[in-house]
Amino acid sequence: GAVVSQHPSRVICKSGTSVKIECRSLDFQATTMFWYRQFPKQSLMLMATSNEGSKATYEQGVEKDKFLINHASLTLSTLTVTSAHPEDSSFYICSARVPVSGNTIYFGEGSWLTVV
Amino acid sequence: QQPVQSPQAVILREGEDAVINCSSSKALYSVHWYRQKHGEAPVFLMILLKGGEQKGHEKISASFNEKKQQSSLYLTASQLSYSGTYFCGTEIEGYQKVTFGTGTKLQVIP
Repeated sequence: GAVVSQHPSRVICKSGTSVKIECRSLDFQATTMFWYRQFPKQSLMLMATSNEGSKATYEQGVEKDKFLINHASLTLSTLTVTSAHPEDSSFYICSARVPVSGNTIYFGEGSWLTVV
Repeated sequence: QQPVQSPQAVILREGEDAVINCSSSKALYSVHWYRQKHGEAPVFLMILLKGGEQKGHEKISASFNEKKQQSSLYLTASQLSYSGTYFCGTEIEGYQKVTFGTGTKLQVIP
């Protein structure tokens, strides 16, 4: 079964609004989670590393004020896309390391965001 | 820097074998392999840690050459279900971020 759960799987929002995507670790505590973005036919690009109880670490070129990441508990990280624009439409995926499986990283189901 | 995978795409007939390569410009701690079906999240296949180990999972195995900073994924006797895009993910240090490769689209036809 899934070890990392992501919600919603699909969301459509109007340009200028904000949308929140949740990433939960199931049955384990994740002190670190990773957020990726994937455009069609492209690879996964790391956006940021979410750290429980502290600020996220953003990759170069990712706007931290636009993509707000909150990791308030050991089982939940959220990504909020603020003032969304059509170019933000993409597949957003979170991932986390599962302690009992060593260094393995598992992905959530992903969230399709469409900004209209 | 993003790891480079080769080939970019490959078409196989059922039962044929394939090799997918992943090359990094940096020294690696580990290499992860994933398969992604269209519209879905990547699915973990296996992880290899530095030390030049080789792993196998049924008809899918992989090797990791630490000195060459390369990893290869071997698919033998391919099945239709093997179709998808394969990504390698590399770590420079343990328990740090994973950077994904350029991807290899594999299609298995009857």
